[in-house]
Amino acid sequence: DAGVTQSPTHLIKTRGQHVTLRCSPISGHKSVSWYQQVLGQGPQFIFQYYEKEERGRGNFPDRFSARQFPNYSSELNVNALLLGDSALYLCASSLELAGGRETQYFGPGTRLLVL
Amino acid sequence: AQSVTQLGSHVSVSEGALVLLRCNYSSSVPPYLFWYVQYPNQGLQLLLKYTTGATLVKGINGFEAEFKKSETSFHLTKPSAHMSDAAEYFCAVRVFTGGGNKLTFGTGTQQKVEL
Repeated sequence: DAGVTQSPTHLIKTRGQHVTLRCSPISGHKSVSWYQQVLGQGPQFIFQYYEKEERGRGNFPDRFSARQFPNYSSELNVNALLLGDSALYLCASSLELAGGRETQYFGPGTRLLVL
Repeated sequence: AQSVTQLGSHVSVSEGALVLLRCNYSSSVPPYLFWYVQYPNQGLQLLLKYTTGATLVKGINGFEAEFKKSETSFHLTKPSAHMSDAAEYFCAVRVFTGGGNKLTFGTGTQQKVEL
């Protein structure tokens, strides 16, 4: 079975540009979450989507946005890139949302470098 | 608010020695706790999780962790370290966000295994 997939694997952008990161969850999983992992730190929660609705948002500026499509895949968009946005962006999927016991399975991440 | 603290950002053990990675949590509700491992340039892989029930949880690759409510701890152990255990380890607690849930991670412990 395919795991969580993310594209692209690596990306280089310059300050002020826009970026779109993509995530395909494990088949049957309806919840997708996005995390930002800055070098040397633990992942930080950005968004959670379930059944195409936003269910949680972390402490990130409005430059960050996301959406989930009918097939449960998701996009993370970041506008007006800053140097500090350089990080590994991780997508995680889980089967359900309610209860919180479900395991979140992580993809390999997209490494974004902003110059 | 829920949070986790990982003691020791870098830990080194000899091959064959006990692996012990420390995690303490803070939670106002019964916690769901997780340990993830991250190999270089990869995403996160779940080692084990505690939700309810048995407090000693066994995971993959010979790892286990014990939930101790009185000590608010969830330390990760492995009886005998292998070179392949060299990686970064993250403890996480599930936080309910009202409409959904998220993982709050510790800052990670880099585990080195020496011959």
